[in-house]
Amino acid sequence: QKEVEQDPGPLSVPEGAIVSLNCTYSNSAFQYFMWYRQYSRKGPELLMYTYSSGNKEDGRFTAQVDKSSKYISLFIRDSQPSDSATYLCAMGRGNYKLTFGKGTLLTVNP
Amino acid sequence: DVKVTQSSRYLVKRTGEKVFLECVQDMDHENMFWYRQDPGLGLRLIYFSYDVKMKEKGDIPEGYSVSREKKERFSLILESASTNQTSMYLCASSSPRGTVQETQYFGPGTRLLVL
Repeated sequence: QKEVEQDPGPLSVPEGAIVSLNCTYSNSAFQYFMWYRQYSRKGPELLMYTYSSGNKEDGRFTAQVDKSSKYISLFIRDSQPSDSATYLCAMGRGNYKLTFGKGTLLTVNP
Repeated sequence: DVKVTQSSRYLVKRTGEKVFLECVQDMDHENMFWYRQDPGLGLRLIYFSYDVKMKEKGDIPEGYSVSREKKERFSLILESASTNQTSMYLCASSSPRGTVQETQYFGPGTRLLVL
């Protein structure tokens, strides 16, 4: 079983939709959870960071962590065409290294 | 704002050439990382460095070496480039002193084509 599993999509939604992106993991040692957004041919940029179970909100974005189920989610409300990108989940366990999901390609259609 | 810069956005090299990729960060970060990103394989860690002159192998170090002579600069070296090293190369940095020590900040990437 891979340490981090992420559905690669592609996911295509209409503008204004609520988007749900998910990752599951198998290693209970992961303590830190991040979401990165990567536009085509660019480097990933940090979107959200959390280290505890529960929800964290930032504007239209909400990150959710459920450590008991080993499941993390990113919700995007009122999605915009500018949200079209690949979204990567990442997890750390205190040794400076991160384990990344393979990314979900999202397209928001106007 | 953290800034990570990479020396080239695009590079074309010939098989057997020695290739240098440079990365510079301006936030006094302790840790620096080199990844390659390929379709279907995601991000794979090549090497990382947690201090000047210190380095550790990542998941796929074969065919690569690194150099960190100054804190802000981390170089990736392809000793003898091969076609299977055609990829997107991403540099990242992070700091153990902040509250988000695991958070890595990425550069824009270098697209390397080896012919």
